[in-house]
Amino acid sequence: NAGVTQTPKFQVLKTGQSMTLQCAQDMNHEYMSWYRQDPGMGLRLIHYSVGAGITDQGEVPNGYNVSRSTTEDFPLRLLSAAPSQTSVYFCASSQDGYNEQFFGPGTRLTVL
Amino acid sequence: AQTVTQSQPEMSVQEAETVTLSCTYDTSESDYYLFWYKQPPSRQMILVIRQEAYKQQNATENRFSVNFQKAAKSFSLKISDSQLGDAAMYFCAYRSAGTYKYIFGTGTRLKVLA
Repeated sequence: NAGVTQTPKFQVLKTGQSMTLQCAQDMNHEYMSWYRQDPGMGLRLIHYSVGAGITDQGEVPNGYNVSRSTTEDFPLRLLSAAPSQTSVYFCASSQDGYNEQFFGPGTRLTVL
Repeated sequence: AQTVTQSQPEMSVQEAETVTLSCTYDTSESDYYLFWYKQPPSRQMILVIRQEAYKQQNATENRFSVNFQKAAKSFSLKISDSQLGDAAMYFCAYRSAGTYKYIFGTGTRLKVLA
């Protein structure tokens, strides 16, 4: 099992550009989430999904879109990147809401 | 809205000694889960221990244990016999039983001194 994979590992964007951060898991987990981690602020939930076709907003959803067409994949889209979106992004999955969340290795995004 | 507070930005402990990391939370709910996650320099998030609010018994995982005080809304992590590999950021997290929304604290950086 590869677990949770994220691509790319690093990305530099210019303000206004769009891009998609990829997240995939091979554990057949129903629950998946996207977080951003900023210095001094811990992890903040952006969007989450409790199954294919079901997504919901987290604490900081503005500027991000998600979709969940398959159990395995949960991409995060930045429609028009802003410097405030410079952060490290983590994807996570779990079998259910209580058991362990498995995290991907993260994507470091810089928006100039 | 629920909040999670970790008031110690940084802690140090001598190797083989015991250290306690603090976490307090605010909620009006009675059913929820609490977690401690470890983030070493590799950036990988690792679950250390979890606690169900309805269980009075404190969770224990080898050298890691918690002191869960529900009335005081406190959830501290005790690390016994500290090892160099314990050096990391530690995050406390809360999740309501009714949702999948996790709320993380700002973290405590633990340094282990040889």
